Amino acid sequence: AQSVTQLDSQVPVFEEAPVELRCNYSSSVSVYLFWYVQYPNQGLQLLLKYLSGSTLVKGINGFEAEFNKSQTSFHLRKPSVHISDTAEYFCAVGSSGNTPLVFGKGTRLSVIA
Amino acid sequence: ETGVTQTPRHLVMGMTNKKSLKCEQHLGHNAMYWYKQSAKKPLELMFVYSLEERVENNSVPSRFSPECPNSSHLFLHLHTLQPEDSALYLCASSQDKGYPYGYTFGSGTRLTVV
Repeated sequence: AQSVTQLDSQVPVFEEAPVELRCNYSSSVSVYLFWYVQYPNQGLQLLLKYLSGSTLVKGINGFEAEFNKSQTSFHLRKPSVHISDTAEYFCAVGSSGNTPLVFGKGTRLSVIA
Repeated sequence: ETGVTQTPRHLVMGMTNKKSLKCEQHLGHNAMYWYKQSAKKPLELMFVYSLEERVENNSVPSRFSPECPNSSHLFLHLHTLQPEDSALYLCASSQDKGYPYGYTFGSGTRLTVV
């Protein structure tokens, strides 16, 4: 069975500061990983995904994430955040088997002016 | 246009009402999902349909009844709901259970049960 842990439920950060949102997963098979963003009263929107190949993945809105197999992590980073980045961020893990994606509990990023 | 459209966006219903949530996807996907998102709780997977067959039902109360008449449409029929059922209901679709492209979500229906 797969699981995802997002250690931080809330992350406050000042505008133009860097941010890292942490995600750890567990799985007995090869995985693929996603980060989604959810703005208030909206659905989830795909930020980026890792399938294979380069462990550094670049996504939309200046976000990137690094897959670390030895640490079973897929942390999301942005070097300089904007007020508009205030949202909930979800990490998800899947495999090529016939099972649905497993989502983390989410991290609420609050960017402070 | 996200490719997955949910209607209505907002719904207020009494505990004795019957209503339906609708989801439509224009992406040619073959799997569709219902999720419940309550305040301060993780996303809860409710139902999974693959090729129009229900393949997963995660212990959801019978007052929630899904229907998938074809690969583009998914409904969630609601009856005799409880106040704790108030939440954001999200529909998603994918090709082949999400490998390798992940899911595409709709904007959700905000349901309030009074």
